Parts: sequence; structure tokens; C-alpha cells
Amino acid sequence: SQQGEEDPQALSIQEGENATMNCSYKTSINNLQWYRQNSGRGLVHLILIRSNEREKHSGRLRVTLDTSKKSSSLLITASRAADTASYFCATGTGANSKLTFGKGITLSVRP
Amino acid sequence: GAVVSQHPSRVICKSGTSVKIECRSLDFQATTMFWYRQFPKQSLMLMATSNEGSKATYEQGVEKDKFLINHASLTLSTLTVTSAHPEDSSFYICSARGESNYGYTFGSGTRLTVV
Repeated sequence: SQQGEEDPQALSIQEGENATMNCSYKTSINNLQWYRQNSGRGLVHLILIRSNEREKHSGRLRVTLDTSKKSSSLLITASRAADTASYFCATGTGANSKLTFGKGITLSVRP
Repeated sequence: GAVVSQHPSRVICKSGTSVKIECRSLDFQATTMFWYRQFPKQSLMLMATSNEGSKATYEQGVEKDKFLINHASLTLSTLTVTSAHPEDSSFYICSARGESNYGYTFGSGTRLTVV
């Protein structure tokens, strides 16, 4: 069964706006990761946040994690047309554990 | 950075034939690789975990005799779809653990079409 559930399932915004995507999960985790997938391609690792962290930044990306609510959010600031892609959250239970992916969010950034 | 090369990127095969997909870690040693299957506009479903030198661990519902996984070296894992049928048509992606921060490096995927 899917561990992560993202919302919204699809998001369309104007270039320059911020995009916020949410992910909820059900079981205890060691880490939560966000990935981007361009159409028909593999996944690109964006950012990882460990269960003892609450917020992390990487360039235009900001990730938060609330383990009490079992949820995470990914914020992309000042979006660009090139950010158009599908975004997935994935949870891991350990350093070498398998990842369980959510259903994904399709982000469209209009130029 | 860590790079995983997956080949072929696209393959079309006839029903009943077998197809082999390769996944190589180019600049790091991957003791563990993962194989996923993805249907259009859907998430990645883990098929199996491949450990170097040992038998793969398959997820529930995945036929091990149909999806043969071999991980003979620290840099190469292969997935062979045996006796392929049209319902096996899908996007297959491999991944290996990256060098830092628990992030996993993914191959670029293989689009399999069985006709």
C-alpha cells in the first residue's frame, strides 16, 4: 500500500509564484525524501529530511516535516517553467531501507 | 555525483520473448539496488530489492520467476522480464543508494512495450 499521499494531485501556477505540495504518511519513518520526475524520465533526488529535523532548505526548495502529524510539505519559491514535473515524496525507515513512494503531484508552471 | 546508468531506454519486444534491462552504478559501488515499475501517471511500485551476491528480495505479488533479477557485481544489476506479455508493458526504473544523505540515485528508466 502507498505510504505517502501527496496533495494536491495536480497544481497549476504562474511562473514566479510559489508552489506548495503536501505529503502525509502513516507509519513511523527514519527519513522523508522528495523527488522530481520529468515526463518519461527517471527520478531526481531533491532533498531529504530526517525524522529529527523540522525544516530544511536547498536553494529555492524548503521542506518541513511534522512527525506528530505525519506530514511534510515541499515549497518551491519563485517557480520557473522548468519546474514543471511530477513530484513524489518517499519515506524510508532506515539508511539503506527501501523507499515507499506516494502517488505524486503534477506541477505545471505556466510561463 | 553518483550516476546510475540504465539501458536500454526503450525496448519493443514480441509477446513471449524475454527482455533484459541493465542498471549500472558508474562512479560508486552499490551493494543494494532497487527495481521499480511505474504505470502511466502513477507512482513507483517497488518490485524487488537486489543485493550483490545474494538472491533478490521480491515484494508481495511480484512473480520472481517472471522478473529475474541478478546482482552479480557491486556495479551491475539486471532485470530480465521473461516470456513477456502486453500487460508487462510499463516503465521500469532502477535505483541505488547514493553516496550521501541517504538519497537514492535513479536510472533514467526503461520503457518496455510488448506487442
